[in-house]
Amino acid sequence: EDQVTQSPEALRLQEGESSSLNCSYTVSGLRGLFWYRQDPGKGPEFLFTLYSAGEEKEKERLKATLTKKESFLHITAPKPEDSATYLCAVQARVEETSGSRLTFGEGTQLTVNP
Amino acid sequence: DAGVIQSPRHEVTEMGQEVTLRCKPISGHNSLFWYRQTMMRGLELLIYFNNNVPIDDSGMPEDRFSAKMPNASFSTLKIQPSEPRDSAVYFCASSFYKRQPQHFGDGTRLSIL
Repeated sequence: EDQVTQSPEALRLQEGESSSLNCSYTVSGLRGLFWYRQDPGKGPEFLFTLYSAGEEKEKERLKATLTKKESFLHITAPKPEDSATYLCAVQARVEETSGSRLTFGEGTQLTVNP
Repeated sequence: DAGVIQSPRHEVTEMGQEVTLRCKPISGHNSLFWYRQTMMRGLELLIYFNNNVPIDDSGMPEDRFSAKMPNASFSTLKIQPSEPRDSAVYFCASSFYKRQPQHFGDGTRLSIL
């Protein structure tokens, strides 16, 4: 069974204070790892897809990296508007007819104080 | 471009009543997913469709839950009869088949009294 564990559960930063969120996963052959951002009262918003160990993706102050066992979401010089819950999800390499199931972690709630 | 559209945004009803949640996926997407999010269990996949055909409904909690996708632009999730433990936020998402990412709607917040 695919499993995703995110840490920490909650993180409080001062504006400009860089940090990283962790996503550890167990999957029977990784097809893709996905990062989403979720604001209160909204659905998850797609950020990145990573497909293989060593891959990196960047968007503004966010950078996602991937190893064979975990992924990190690095936040550089965060701003208050980066406050949200960040979700990690994995998709296993499955048979053709099995479709595109994602398994989500519990998320990290990030608060950036001005 | 219009995103995934869900209705209603909020639903409050009494235990035992039938509840129907609706979803319009992004045009051209051929995979559709229904999720439930709670504080205790996080985001859980209930069922998903490829090309309007249900592929995996193993996440549907009980026979009280059913989902249909009569065409490529509409899906429903029905709970009958509803119970207080069904209270949660229900999300619909869509994607191109096997070509992620999934794009989510803003959910239906369901409260069963």
